[in-house]
Amino acid sequence: DAGVIQSPRHEVTEMGQEVTLRCKPISGHNSLFWYRQTMMRGLELLIYFNNNVPIDDSGMPEDRFSAKMPNASFSTLKIQPSEPRDSAVYFCASSFAGAADTQYFGPGTRLTVL
Amino acid sequence: QQQVKQSPQSLIVQKGGISIINCAYENTAFDYFPWYQQFPGKGPALLIAIRPDVSEKKEGRFTISFNKSAKQFSLHIMDSQPGDSATYFCAASMGSNYQLIWGAGTKLIIKP
Repeated sequence: DAGVIQSPRHEVTEMGQEVTLRCKPISGHNSLFWYRQTMMRGLELLIYFNNNVPIDDSGMPEDRFSAKMPNASFSTLKIQPSEPRDSAVYFCASSFAGAADTQYFGPGTRLTVL
Repeated sequence: QQQVKQSPQSLIVQKGGISIINCAYENTAFDYFPWYQQFPGKGPALLIAIRPDVSEKKEGRFTISFNKSAKQFSLHIMDSQPGDSATYFCAASMGSNYQLIWGAGTKLIIKP
C-alpha cells in the first residue's frame, strides 16, 4: 500500500491567499484526521471524519478553515484567507476503525504564509 | 480533564541506557493509550499501545507500564540506541468515536 498521500509537500504563499491541502487516505480506511503541528502548540487535531462525515470539528481554528471529504478516497483542507500564524506542518492521517485504532500519518504539508 | 500531561519535554540518554517517558491523565473514561514515534520530517507512527485491562505491554525493547489507580502510564526504552532518537507522543482516547488526546511530546536524544 502506498500509505497516506498528501499534496503538496511544501507550500509557500502570501498572506490573504487561498490554500488547499489534499489527502488520499489508505484504501479501506473509514476514518480520516487532519492535524496541525507547530513548535508552540504541538500536535492539534483539526477535524475528524468517519465514513466521510465530519464527527468532530471542534479543533478547526476559525471560519477561515474548512475541510471536505467528498468520497472515501479524497479530502481537502482549505484556508481562506491565509495568515502568517497558519504556518505549520499539516498532517493527514487515516485509520481502519476510528480514533482509537492505529492512525497512519501522511508525510505532511509544510505551509509557510508570508 | 481532557488533558494528557507528558514529561519530560526533552531527554538525553546514553547509548545502552534506559529511556523513560511519563504521561498522566485525569479522565477515567480513557480506555486506549498509544505511544507514537516521530522522526524529523516524518509523520508520527504508532509504536505501541495498551488498554487498561493490563498493567504492562512489551514489544521488543519498548515497554508500556500502566498504573490505573495513579492514572499514569509510561514508556520504557531498554538498551536505547541512537536510532531511537525521535520525538515521542503519548495519547489517550475514550473510544473509536472520540478523538485522541495527545501529550505535548518528548524529544529524546540518544548519545553514542
